[in-house]
Amino acid sequence: SAVISQKPSRDICQRGTSLTIQCQVDSQVTMMFWYRQQPGQSLTLIATANQGSEATYESGFVIDKFPISRPNLTFSTLTVSNMSPEDSSIYLCSVELRRGASTDTQYFGPGTRLTVL
Amino acid sequence: AQSVTQLGSHVSVSEGALVLLRCNYSSSVPPYLFWYVQYPNQGLQLLLKYTSAATLVKGINGFEAEFKKSETSFHLTKPSAHMSDAAEYFCAVTEGFQKLVFGTGTRLLVSP
Repeated sequence: SAVISQKPSRDICQRGTSLTIQCQVDSQVTMMFWYRQQPGQSLTLIATANQGSEATYESGFVIDKFPISRPNLTFSTLTVSNMSPEDSSIYLCSVELRRGASTDTQYFGPGTRLTVL
Repeated sequence: AQSVTQLGSHVSVSEGALVLLRCNYSSSVPPYLFWYVQYPNQGLQLLLKYTSAATLVKGINGFEAEFKKSETSFHLTKPSAHMSDAAEYFCAVTEGFQKLVFGTGTRLLVSP
């Protein structure tokens, strides 16, 4: 597997501000993903981030609200912009590891718990 | 689009009892299937995955799951529950090349 860290682990923010979440991996990976887990709910994919290209966003998520950077093969950031209380969620990054012919598997970071007041 | 159904948002068992968490998927082609566990205030940890090899897949912590194509199911079981198994369990299926689609999750409660 991979060791994945996220910063911050949690934050409480004011409405209208922005928060940038960092995701660091201990090995080089091609595919990184950002998910949102709203309170009491399952995970929803926000976007897929490949190094050297624009992130690909899922339906319902837009770049202006969730800009993503992927400057190298071990790091990515997700920004939650102009926050509202509805953005209160856990945000998780994941990476895809492929080992030879093994099935591609996603491994997850510990998550960032965001509360917007 | 792929979808995953997890029957029962909560499952309660006694310590030492059989654990059965249900997962059904919709797919017209053989999928890749996963079970993840989320302990309180933590991220997701991979329990096991189905890779179209053996239909009975063994994972960590004594869990296993059986892929049944005829029933489009991938139920998770453990013969004897332990208190430390109390957590949220998510079934997931791949859609397209890499996207994971998650079920709504099942919270496992283990009583002494």
